[in-house]
Amino acid sequence: DTGVSQDPRHKITKRGQNVTFRCDPISEHNRLYWYRQTLGQGPEFLTYFQNEAQLEKSRLLSDRFSAERPKGSFSTLEIQRTEQGDSAMYLCASSLLGGTGNEQFFGPGTRLTVL
Amino acid sequence: RKEVEQDPGPFNVPEGATVAFNCTYSNSASQSFFWYRQDCRKEPKLLMSVYSSGNEDGRFTAQLNRASQYISLLIRDSKLSDSATYLCVVSDNGSSNTGKLIFGQGTTLQVKP
Repeated sequence: DTGVSQDPRHKITKRGQNVTFRCDPISEHNRLYWYRQTLGQGPEFLTYFQNEAQLEKSRLLSDRFSAERPKGSFSTLEIQRTEQGDSAMYLCASSLLGGTGNEQFFGPGTRLTVL
Repeated sequence: RKEVEQDPGPFNVPEGATVAFNCTYSNSASQSFFWYRQDCRKEPKLLMSVYSSGNEDGRFTAQLNRASQYISLLIRDSKLSDSATYLCVVSDNGSSNTGKLIFGQGTTLQVKP
């Protein structure tokens, strides 16, 4: 499968714990995005990488959140001291800068439940 | 006010019906527009891009009215398999040119036999 992959698919954690999610984009894609989706809402933008550079962060990304893309390939999203309000689906998407219409391809998401 | 607004529905229609979804966006500088489809507990997938001239893909027709900042999606001869949430999406191609997507809340469609 050459699509976007995310790991884990599901994560249940207790409040206050740290969690880390991984995203592997489509191999030739230089743009990578993280979004968060809560029930009944559309995805909301969290952050954007072009190659290894993090070029934009949403105000939704509090200081408990950090994202990296160290080699311009896979990316990680870490949430420290999780809160119940962090429960959501975390979606990763990738695209090719200069590609047709900026179509973004989404991974299956990581569903986080904070107890 | 949300940047992209949609009626969440649900829209319950019989097979074969024609159904239309509408969406408005607030940023007049937006450059790219899309409809994404999302099945229950799955990731969003691109249904079609939306152009000012309007575009059609089989039973699906999308229209963009830049003056009114309004986007529409028409589904003709609806099928049971069309049941899903349809997300209106605008790409922020502003000064940062990150291409990030701004999603509406989504409109739920349920096609019944």
